[in-house]
Amino acid sequence: EIVLTQSPATLSLSPGERATLSCRASQTIGDYLAWYQQKPGQAPWLLIFDSSNRATGVPARFSGSGSGTDFTLTISSLEPEDFAVYYCHQRSTWPPTFGQGTKVEIK
Amino acid sequence: EVVLVESGGGLVKPGGSLRLSCTASGFSFTYAWMTWVRQVPGKGLEGVARIKTRSDGGHGGTTDYVAPVKGRFTISRDDSKNTVYLQMNSLRTEDTAVYYCTTELQVRGVIDYWGQGTLVTVSS
Repeated sequence: EIVLTQSPATLSLSPGERATLSCRASQTIGDYLAWYQQKPGQAPWLLIFDSSNRATGVPARFSGSGSGTDFTLTISSLEPEDFAVYYCHQRSTWPPTFGQGTKVEIK
Repeated sequence: EVVLVESGGGLVKPGGSLRLSCTASGFSFTYAWMTWVRQVPGKGLEGVARIKTRSDGGHGGTTDYVAPVKGRFTISRDDSKNTVYLQMNSLRTEDTAVYYCTTELQVRGVIDYWGQGTLVTVSS
């Protein structure tokens, strides 16, 4: 199965700062990568699909890029509600796999 | 509004069985692929089982499983009830997790809707 490795594990930032999260796949997955946000006690929420497409209702401060094996999620200016855990996810082959998550916490 | 409601979780002893149900509303269930995703509390996410539609082939829809559950879990669907099931047999302590019912409505393979999750605890 395809392994997704996210970095860093934790990102400590202040509101208004820029967040850059990385996801690396163990083999090429084209642009079949999505990003999810998860808050405590809630199900994940789709932010980005197919590397760079924002899902419905996702603010423009969230953007995604990359292809092949290296991907990035950028939050241009952190809002208080953005502090959460972020997961990348590939749909290139079964089983669908997820990264281990990056926690964005308030500095 | 798309709604997925899971039920059937609980405490079970190792080697035991449990059946999860997920009832869907707000979309054309017959045409939707359904996937169970699990999350060990405080840990990451894992796709467990997927069932495609009857029109995609197979009597009840083609199924796929992740290696650790093959031969122990069975996913099925009842389109007349807008419900998908996950029959879990020979449960192990490592199956303890929150199980989410999910679907992909906009783009195949992109999970865009999740249920609230149901907790399965396997412990003696």
